[in-house]
Amino acid sequence: DTGVSQDPRHKITKRGQNVTFRCDPISEHNRLYWYRQTLGQGPEFLTYFQNEAQLEKSRLLSDRFSAERPKGSFSTLEIQRTEQGDSAMYLCASSYTGGYTFGSGTRLTVV
Amino acid sequence: GQNIDQPTEMTATEGAIVQINCTYQTSGFNGLFWYQQHAGEAPTFLSYNVLDGLEEKGRFSSFLSRSKGYSYLLLKELQMKDSASYLCAARDNTDKLIFGTGTRLQVFP
Repeated sequence: DTGVSQDPRHKITKRGQNVTFRCDPISEHNRLYWYRQTLGQGPEFLTYFQNEAQLEKSRLLSDRFSAERPKGSFSTLEIQRTEQGDSAMYLCASSYTGGYTFGSGTRLTVV
Repeated sequence: GQNIDQPTEMTATEGAIVQINCTYQTSGFNGLFWYQQHAGEAPTFLSYNVLDGLEEKGRFSSFLSRSKGYSYLLLKELQMKDSASYLCAARDNTDKLIFGTGTRLQVFP
């Protein structure tokens, strides 16, 4: 059990560019969650998967955001046409029997 | 709507006891979680309550009252390394965690 891995740890991008983040969950975990966290705030739910099926997406989530989990293993989160307001820590968590393990996150800075 | 409320900041002295309160309102309820988060790091699991009452785990205890929509995290014998943010999260009826803003705890010598 190597925990939940996220890549990259840090990303700086220019406004308007597209970015993609990757999350590798704990191998036997069938649920995978994406959260966004800004400074001084708690994590905000974005979307989650059970195996390869995307079960829920936050109503607050812009259509510039898309996530996939092909074959129910790793997941990617893509943000198109980034804006400065997208600057945040993007956290991934995985779960099997109800316990949630978080990755260290990808810190995105949009300049 | 879904709402989790907890104090933004608290301070305490090394060796003391501190209680961090949390009230919640969610669409369905399947348990209350507490996480610790140091700056720039991942949240790490501290405790889980689904039934009313107190769960004790070493220096950390957590309490839940489902009828009141209320929980607290109790930290005893505070150490400097306990300075961190403490996140209260309720699991809703779709099994996702809804987080509060977090309580930033500073422990002073």
